[in-house]
Amino acid sequence: KNEVEQSPQNLTAQEGEFITINCSYSVGISALHWLQQHPGGGIVSLFMLSSGKKKHGRLIATINIQEKHSSLHITASHPRDSAVYICAVSRGNYQLIWGAGTKLIIKP
Amino acid sequence: NAGVTQTPKFQVLKTGQSMTLQCAQDMNHEYMSWYRQDPGMGLRLIHYSVGAGITDQGEVPNGYNVSRSTTEDFPLRLLSAAPSQTSVYFCASRQPSAGVRQETQYFGPGTRLLVL
Repeated sequence: KNEVEQSPQNLTAQEGEFITINCSYSVGISALHWLQQHPGGGIVSLFMLSSGKKKHGRLIATINIQEKHSSLHITASHPRDSAVYICAVSRGNYQLIWGAGTKLIIKP
Repeated sequence: NAGVTQTPKFQVLKTGQSMTLQCAQDMNHEYMSWYRQDPGMGLRLIHYSVGAGITDQGEVPNGYNVSRSTTEDFPLRLLSAAPSQTSVYFCASRQPSAGVRQETQYFGPGTRLLVL
């Protein structure tokens, strides 16, 4: 069993829909990261969480440490949100444990 | 700041050839790492460095060498390329010291490598 699991693996939605991507982990962590990889390949860090909730524009990330679970929400989704969203956890050392990613397609 | 830069962007090699993928960062980050990304798989750690002169193996180190002579540069060497090394390679850096904010990971644009 992978230490970081994301769901769904693939998600297709219509423009304007509310999107939720989930990340569950089975190890103790110091922080959880959400990253975005666009079709062109570049990877951008979106959020880093150790507790609670963070919001940036239409993106919201939450984490429940007790349940070892995090969600990434996108409100009023747009085709430009189409990308692979990756969850990764850090354990207080230098290495990250990566999820396999969720491929999101938003149709106009 | 340029952030994390990688060269080349694309490379085609023949089996058995050697090459070096370059990575540099100008943020004075201690920690640098190399990942490979293959279709349908998450990022896999090849090698990492926690500071100049210190390197260690990641999850998939075979066939790759690294060195860290300066804080800024972290080249990845393929000694004898194999088709199994066809992949997209990402270099990343971060500064995991005091303060959660400093754990943000910065990625280079990637190098697409095809080994024939």
